[in-house]
Amino acid sequence: DIQMTQSPSSLSASVGDRVTITCRASQSISSYLNWYQQKPGKAPKLLIYAASSLQSGVPSRFRGSGSGTDFTLTISSLQPEDFATYYCQQSYSTPRTFGQGTKLEIK
Amino acid sequence: EVQLVESGGGLVQPGGSLRLSCAASGFTFSSYDMHWVRQATGKGLEWVSAIGTAGDTYYPGSVKGRFTISRENAKNSLYLQMNSLRAGDTAVYYCARDGGYCSGGSCWGAFDIWGQGTRVTVSS
Repeated sequence: DIQMTQSPSSLSASVGDRVTITCRASQSISSYLNWYQQKPGKAPKLLIYAASSLQSGVPSRFRGSGSGTDFTLTISSLQPEDFATYYCQQSYSTPRTFGQGTKLEIK
Repeated sequence: EVQLVESGGGLVQPGGSLRLSCAASGFTFSSYDMHWVRQATGKGLEWVSAIGTAGDTYYPGSVKGRFTISRENAKNSLYLQMNSLRAGDTAVYYCARDGGYCSGGSCWGAFDIWGQGTRVTVSS
């Protein structure tokens, strides 16, 4: 199974900050990497697919990059609604493993 | 409106069985791979199973042999039959659509539509 490791596990930031979350795969997954946002009590929401493609309706302040084993999600200017937990997921092979999540909190 | 609605969750004793359902609407259900994902309280997301448009099925080791995913395209419905349930299966279970994004001959899977979740509690 491919292991996905996110860092950091939690992050405190302020509105307007630029933040970066990292995801590392245990083997090369090319660009088969997705990012999701989840708010408490809600289902996850797809933000980025294929490592860098923005899902329809997602604000352009979200940007994904990377290939192979190392990936990043960058939020260019944090908005109040962005405080949530973020998960990466590989779609290279089954099982479709997720990272452990990064909780983004307000400083 | 594109929508997935889960049902069938509840309290079940260890060793018991439960069948979850997911009703799809607003899209051509038969054209999409579908998945189940679960989340224990305060924990991360865990992929549980998948079914392709041709009925091919996939499971992680943690549920293989105990869970069975199926679909009934005529009813726009996805199911998860869960047997030999354990305390560790306690979670909110989500169904999700695989958007199947394709470009230039390559396709990338991503879960673009999710249900609201149904809670399964395994306890005596």
